[in-house]
Amino acid sequence: EVQLVESGGNLVQPGGSLKLSCAASGFTFSNFYMAWVRQAPTKGLEWVASITHRSTTTYYRDSVRGRFTISRDNAESTLYLQMDNLRSEDTATYYCTRGPHYSGGTYVMDVWGQGASVSVSS
Amino acid sequence: DIQMTQSPHSLSASLGETVSIECLASEGISNYLAWYQQKPGKSPQLLIYYVSSLQDGVPSRFSGSGSGTQYSLKISNMQPEDEGLYYCQQGYKYPITFGSGTKLEIK
Repeated sequence: EVQLVESGGNLVQPGGSLKLSCAASGFTFSNFYMAWVRQAPTKGLEWVASITHRSTTTYYRDSVRGRFTISRDNAESTLYLQMDNLRSEDTATYYCTRGPHYSGGTYVMDVWGQGASVSVSS
Repeated sequence: DIQMTQSPHSLSASLGETVSIECLASEGISNYLAWYQQKPGKSPQLLIYYVSSLQDGVPSRFSGSGSGTQYSLKISNMQPEDEGLYYCQQGYKYPITFGSGTKLEIK
């Protein structure tokens, strides 16, 4: 079964740091782009960051660039999101998602984790 | 950034009815358009990609169409399990962007 399982969500103070992990199983992790998508309480979906299959290139939304770092460990089939200098507006459920196969195709997210809750508050 | 304008914000439909949700891109996205469904308390699920390709396991009453900057999702023969939030998403250019969502309810 193809599965993504996030962990690491927590309550953190403004300016603090948190690292999310996403354990992948059921597919060849190293063949796929991966991404994080977040959803603030009662709000819509917002793409956060993406990484290519061999970590060659990373992409970030402007509001997190310089504060968040997406990375992956293909040997461990795990995706990460290091979040530094957190702000209240980063409060959201963070979803780990599978992007396209490295061979190409439109950027869609066909597998989603259950989400990790991040709350930034003093 | 490419803005995705989704409409309507919400709608209600009777069982068996056909409904449509529209998505307008602020510039051409070469048909790199996907639709997702999210049920309360659950993660989003991919329904349709590349405008009209149905994801495995998605019922055939879901269909997508459009080109250029205008796209739509049609749900035929509305069923109770179709209640939820629907989002469009462009995968043409970074940053990847989503529509604001449409809440679909049973009338």
